[in-house]
Amino acid sequence: KAGVTQTPRYLIKTRGQQVTLSCSPISGHRSVSWYQQTPGQGLQFLFEYFSETQRNKGNFPGRFSGRQFSNSRSEMNVSTLELGDSALYLCASSLRDSQSGTDTQYFGPGTRLTVL
Amino acid sequence: QKEVEQDPGPLSVPEGAIVSLNCTYSNSAFQYFMWYRQYSRKGPELLMYTYSSGNKEDGRFTAQVDKSSKYISLFIRDSQPSDSATYLCAATGGGNKLTFGTGTQLKVEL
Repeated sequence: KAGVTQTPRYLIKTRGQQVTLSCSPISGHRSVSWYQQTPGQGLQFLFEYFSETQRNKGNFPGRFSGRQFSNSRSEMNVSTLELGDSALYLCASSLRDSQSGTDTQYFGPGTRLTVL
Repeated sequence: QKEVEQDPGPLSVPEGAIVSLNCTYSNSAFQYFMWYRQYSRKGPELLMYTYSSGNKEDGRFTAQVDKSSKYISLFIRDSQPSDSATYLCAATGGGNKLTFGTGTQLKVEL
């Protein structure tokens, strides 16, 4: 079974621009979560989408947004880029584990965003 | 203060050593605890997860959770150079919003 794929893998943008990142979950997975990873803060939860609806949201400004399509693919958008947005953006898809009450999350390789 | 604290290391051990990786957490609502391994330029890979307190073993890996002290541990037996990676602990009260530690960088040397 193919894993989580993310495109593009690397991206360079300048301050003030906007960017859209894409994530294709594992086939059959309906939940997609996004995380930002930086050396100082580690992995931080951005948001989760399930069946095209945002289910959870982390503590990020409104410049960070996302959406999910009917085929479960997801995109996240960052507008008015700042230098501090430089990070690895990771997408994870989930298959609910009904016995434990939490989902096992499978991560993609990430998109490395550099803001100049 | 972060909800999940983890010593960033780096931790360097000789091949064959037993490795102990630890995290503490502050949120009493956390019930599910995970350990992920992340190689350079790769996404995190789930190694272990446990529910509530107790031990879980999988091959050379053992995960322990002590909810009374809010302490999470991962033990790696007979460590190999291929175990060299960053190890991330994570926790959630349920659902997919994981709170991660900052990760411990491990190097297993020949």
